Amino acid sequence: RKEVEQDPGPFNVPEGATVAFNCTYSNSASQSFFWYRQDCRKEPKLLMSVYSSGNEDGRFTAQLNRASQYISLLIRDSKLSDSATYLCVVNQYSSASKIIFGSGTRLSIRP
Amino acid sequence: GAVVSQHPSWVICKSGTSVKIECRSLDFQATTMFWYRQFPKQSLMLMATSNEGSKATYEQGVEKDKFLINHASLTLSTLTVTSAHPEDSSFYICSALSVGLETDTQYFGPGTRLTVL
Repeated sequence: RKEVEQDPGPFNVPEGATVAFNCTYSNSASQSFFWYRQDCRKEPKLLMSVYSSGNEDGRFTAQLNRASQYISLLIRDSKLSDSATYLCVVNQYSSASKIIFGSGTRLSIRP
Repeated sequence: GAVVSQHPSWVICKSGTSVKIECRSLDFQATTMFWYRQFPKQSLMLMATSNEGSKATYEQGVEKDKFLINHASLTLSTLTVTSAHPEDSSFYICSALSVGLETDTQYFGPGTRLTVL
């Protein structure tokens, strides 16, 4: 079983739709969680950190469920510019950070 | 967010030559940096963890003698691809770890596209 698993996608949705991504992690000792987005042929960019209480940034909402060991990302009112690959990232911190990336979910927004 | 630079952004070289890629954290100090490789339409693959002042930690299957990593200062790590071959052609991305009070966050450089002829 992979340490971090994501919906493989691709998701192809119309502009304005709401889309949700899920990500599960296997190590219950994981401490911090992030969503990154990666555009084609570019580096990953931090989208948002994910906190236990959940957090929202504009059209983006991230949630963490420690009991079930999953995190989610919700995008409301999707725009064409949201088309990208979304990476779930988990930091397992013990003596040093061990950062695990999910394989990413590709999202394509159509007009 | 924090800024990480990489140089060069792209390089084309002949087979058998060595290529050095620099990764710099511009507005914070990074004890730890990471080197990734990404082939087209594939996921990021962690190659090694670069630790300032000590030896890098390589992932399984990554040849340390081929991919030399030096992290001589808190803002600079270098990756040297020695005796490059066409199969080393890839997108190489570094990241720097910003240590915070509550969590550590990784910031990526813009990547270096290496083509070996």
